[in-house]
Amino acid sequence: DGGITQSPKYLFRKEGQNVTLSCEQNLNHDAMYWYRQDPGQGLRLIYYSQIVNDFQKGDIAEGYSVSREKKESFPLTVTSAQKNPTAFYLCASGRGGTSRTDTQYFGPGTRLTVL
Amino acid sequence: AQSVTQPDIHITVSEGASLELRCNYSYGATPYLFWYVQSPGQGLQLLLKYFSGDTLVQGIKGFEAEFKRSQSSFNLRKPSVHWSDAAEYFCAVGVKGNTGKLIFGQGTTLQVKP
Repeated sequence: DGGITQSPKYLFRKEGQNVTLSCEQNLNHDAMYWYRQDPGQGLRLIYYSQIVNDFQKGDIAEGYSVSREKKESFPLTVTSAQKNPTAFYLCASGRGGTSRTDTQYFGPGTRLTVL
Repeated sequence: AQSVTQPDIHITVSEGASLELRCNYSYGATPYLFWYVQSPGQGLQLLLKYFSGDTLVQGIKGFEAEFKRSQSSFNLRKPSVHWSDAAEYFCAVGVKGNTGKLIFGQGTTLQVKP
C-alpha cells in the first residue's frame, strides 16, 4: 500500500531531551512537510522540503531541526530549545512544491508529551 | 497577507440533516482551495480541492464545495449527514509562489446528534 507512515504514534519525553519523530513515504513524492497541531490553533508549518538535501523553515521552526538525506524520509528532531513541545505532529508529502496546486497527503501523526 | 477563516468553531447537526461549513479566504489572485477532514487522533484526509474550472466541486463521502469568488468563500456542504461524519474539518489555501505550502483555517468541529 502506498502511503505515509509516522512513528512512534505516542512519544514521551523528559524536559531537556531531544527526540526524533520519523516520517516515511512510499508515494515517490518530492515534497515533504512537518506541521504542529495544538487544540484550537489549526496546523502550523514547522519545516518543509521540496527536494532531497534541501529544506526551508516554516512559520514556527525555532527549537526544531530536520534532515532530508533520502527522498522517502524526512525526520523531525524536537530539541530541548523548544519551549513547549507537547503537541500533535503531522507529516505530509506532495508531488512537488513547484506550484500552489500541490496537494498534500498526511500521515497518521505522532503525539508528543513532555513529562 | 493570505489567510483562511472558518467562522464556526463548533457545529452540531442532527443525523440526516443537511450541513454547510463555512470557509472564507483572503488572497490576491486565483486561489487554490482544499478541504480536509480529521478524525480524533488521526491524520488529515483530503475531501476535495478546487484549482480551476467548474466552481462546484465534488469530493469523497458525498461532500461538495462551491467556490464563490465574489464572496471569497469555499463552503463545504453535504445534503444528509451521517454519524460517521463527526470530525474536525479544515479549509486550506495554496500559498502564493512556488512552494506548495498551504495555509490552514482554525478548523470546525462537527458533532452529529442521533
